[in-house]
Amino acid sequence: EDQVTQSPEALRLQEGESSSLNCSYTVSGLRGLFWYRQDPGKGPEFLFTLYSAGEEKEKERLKATLTKKESFLHITAPKPEDSATYLCAVQVGGGSNYKLTFGKGTLLTVNP
Amino acid sequence: DAGITQSPRHKVTETGTPVTLRCHQTENHRYMYWYRQDPGHGLRLIHYSYGVKDTDKGEVSDGYSVSRSKTEDFLLTLESATSSQTSVYFCAIRDAGELFFGEGSRLTVL
Repeated sequence: EDQVTQSPEALRLQEGESSSLNCSYTVSGLRGLFWYRQDPGKGPEFLFTLYSAGEEKEKERLKATLTKKESFLHITAPKPEDSATYLCAVQVGGGSNYKLTFGKGTLLTVNP
Repeated sequence: DAGITQSPRHKVTETGTPVTLRCHQTENHRYMYWYRQDPGHGLRLIHYSYGVKDTDKGEVSDGYSVSRSKTEDFLLTLESATSSQTSVYFCAIRDAGELFFGEGSRLTVL
């Protein structure tokens, strides 16, 4: 069974205090790993897709990395507006069998 | 903005009543998905569609049915709502290998 585990469940940071969120996965044949941001009362917002071990992607203060077993979302010098729940998902299957399996998320709070 | 509109955004209903949630998209995407999100479970796939009249089950499809009679609309129906179906429901479209989500429909079954 495909599994996605995110840690920690919640993380509280001070503004400017860099840290990382973890997403570990066990899937048969990873097709892609996705990061989303979700604000309260909103739908998930797409951030990154990673396809192979060693790949990295960056957007503003966020950088996502991928190994064969896990992905990290590094947050550099976070600001209060980075507060959100961050979701990780893995793609299994392609074409008409494409599905994303999600982790439970990490709730990030950045205090000013 | 992925051009997705979900309706209704909020609904309160009673156990045993039928409920239909609508997902409407304006950009002619082939693939559409329904997920539910619950505390402690994350997002779970209910049903998905890979074209008009082409649908398949996800991991939590029991108690739900879907229909897609035209490209732009994907309907999720609870034939007889139960309290365990109280949740936030998200519709998504697939574009260039990624999923883009609507704003969600919050359903409360009393």
